[in-house]
Amino acid sequence: EAEVAQSPRYKITEKSQAVAFWCDPISGHATLYWYRQILGQGPELLVQFQDESVVDDSQLPKDRFSAERLKGVDSTLKIQPAELGDSAMYLCASSIGQGQVNEKLFFGSGTQLSVL
Amino acid sequence: AQKITQTQPGMFVQEKEAVTLDCTYDTSDPSYGLFWYKQPSSGEMIFLIYQGSYDQQNATEGRYSLNFQKARKSANLVISASQLGDSAMYFCAMREKGYGQNFVFGPGTRLSVLP
Repeated sequence: EAEVAQSPRYKITEKSQAVAFWCDPISGHATLYWYRQILGQGPELLVQFQDESVVDDSQLPKDRFSAERLKGVDSTLKIQPAELGDSAMYLCASSIGQGQVNEKLFFGSGTQLSVL
Repeated sequence: AQKITQTQPGMFVQEKEAVTLDCTYDTSDPSYGLFWYKQPSSGEMIFLIYQGSYDQQNATEGRYSLNFQKARKSANLVISASQLGDSAMYFCAMREKGYGQNFVFGPGTRLSVLP
């Protein structure tokens, strides 16, 4: 079965450093999501792409976070500079992107970020 | 705005017994979908079951069933014959119809199955 690929699986960095996460969605999936999940809480949307366009980045801290999906396929999420409060699991997900209510999300394995 | 509420931060159930995890939602859109995901300690999010707002019957998938009460805006997950491997976080989520519609998650319930 096709999977959403994410890397790295784990990332340890010091505060004020830059970090980047990569995601490759399931082939043919037009919608790509980046979620942040703090331990013990539900995922919170950071940014949502439809093909190469951003459709929702209202919760993305744009002073330090950026996301791109230049060719409408894979995506990169960057944090610069990282802060202690950024320590969390970063989940990438994709869906077919046809706007139907029954479209489920397929998740990658996530990147666990620790900022020291 | 969409909102999902899960009022049980943690639940315990004895192995082989059934357990119900609560979920209530808020939306003004008549067309929406409700989902349940399982997240084991390893971190991956596993899709369990889906219920559409216009579906006449409650969804079932193996040991999972969804008790959908549209008027009360609730979509509770029922796990029958609990197994030790069911110990995990469980998230209720909702999507409304249309391009660009967000997929919103609840805060989750941690289920612990006791031997």
